[in-house]
Amino acid sequence: DQQVKQNSPSLSVQEGRISILNCDYTNSMFDYFLWYKKYPAEGPTFLISISSIKDKNEDGRFTVFLNKSAKHLSLHIVPSQPGDSAVYFCAASAYYGQNFVFGPGTRLSVLP
Amino acid sequence: DSGVTQTPKHLITATGQRVTLRCSPRSGDLSVYWYQQSLDQGLQFLIQYYNGEERAKGNILERFSAQQFPDLHSELNLSSLELGDSALYFCASSPTSGGPLSTDTQYFGPGTRLTVL
Repeated sequence: DQQVKQNSPSLSVQEGRISILNCDYTNSMFDYFLWYKKYPAEGPTFLISISSIKDKNEDGRFTVFLNKSAKHLSLHIVPSQPGDSAVYFCAASAYYGQNFVFGPGTRLSVLP
Repeated sequence: DSGVTQTPKHLITATGQRVTLRCSPRSGDLSVYWYQQSLDQGLQFLIQYYNGEERAKGNILERFSAQQFPDLHSELNLSSLELGDSALYFCASSPTSGGPLSTDTQYFGPGTRLTVL
């Protein structure tokens, strides 16, 4: 059973608009969440993280929202740029460990 | 560039063979993690080493083993290879072992693409 789910395998967005990538988790012990971006033929690159004591974290064009009661987080990219086209992985970790559990990823395509 | 290096970049071998993948963590990082990404699959955590000791184990097959050396580089050994072992193998590193209040981020290497024929 997947503990971290990204139910949209792919997403297409027009350049300049908002991209919203969603992630759901089932393990209530998870308390630290990250988003990674992956280009083809490269390793994942860390984007932004959020701890369970917050409900929002912002870094430039990227904002992550956490809804603990719904066990849901989302990544907002505003404005979206063609260079944002990549696969985005959501990952979660429990308090006493660093065994990040990754979601299956969402492929974002930003159309010019 | 994350500072994590992995060699080789590509590896092609036959079923039943054994291979070794190598990872050098970022300078100063004590933890090394190994992940497998099969075709169209997400990242699967295999194993973590911290300062030379096994710290956590994920979905690692018994045919696979890893170790971390005194200089903190790590090797992942895959033996009795099967076709289904063909995948991208990523190494990641982080400064600490994790634990309470840890907010370490893992920095990933470029991966080794293993093809088993």
